Amino acid sequence: SYELTQPPSVSVSPGQTARITCSGDALPKQYAYWYQQKPGQAPVLVIYKDSERPSGIPERFSGSSSGTTVTLTISGVQAEDEADYYCQSADSSGTKVFGGGTKLTVL
Amino acid sequence: QITLKESGPTLVKPTQTLTLTCTFSGFSLSTSGVGVGWIRQPPGKALEWLALIYWNDDKRYSPSLKSRLTITKDTSKNQVVLTMTNMDPVDTATYYCAHDVGWFDPWGQGTLVTVSS
Repeated sequence: SYELTQPPSVSVSPGQTARITCSGDALPKQYAYWYQQKPGQAPVLVIYKDSERPSGIPERFSGSSSGTTVTLTISGVQAEDEADYYCQSADSSGTKVFGGGTKLTVL
Repeated sequence: QITLKESGPTLVKPTQTLTLTCTFSGFSLSTSGVGVGWIRQPPGKALEWLALIYWNDDKRYSPSLKSRLTITKDTSKNQVVLTMTNMDPVDTATYYCAHDVGWFDPWGQGTLVTVSS
């Protein structure tokens, strides 16, 4: 079955840039999406179609794609950005898949 | 404003069938391109996509759980129902439904289902 691979954890200091990667064989052909999940809360969409930002999401969140890897970048990380981040995509049959999640720690 | 809310039992016994209902507002499941998906998350673990139903009644299931899942919709009631058969303690999780237009946004608050005898 199709899999998306994320690093389990990323740590950054406030004000620095955090980059979270997600790798998958179908990513060159399928869009990726990113969700932020804080403890005890439902996930929230922060990036769609690789690099589009929904309304209400701060400009410091951005997404990019290169080959089989997509990247969520958080510029000028703030304490409130500490959360779990999940990438999501689909295969050609429409089967959805999530990555294993990355815990972002703000030091 | 789109909202979704999951409902169903909080406790089920092993081998029983789980039935969850997603009741939504702010959109119609008869609108082209719209879907509702189900996603679960065991305590302390990652999100797992389960199933998705589209406005045209097209359905998609997780390959690993396909034999146990059924998703249906009642457009007039603004509801989507997910059934999962033969529940096991490893199915203990928070179950979410979400509005889908190619991506999941927004999500319901989730409902915790515990499988235990």
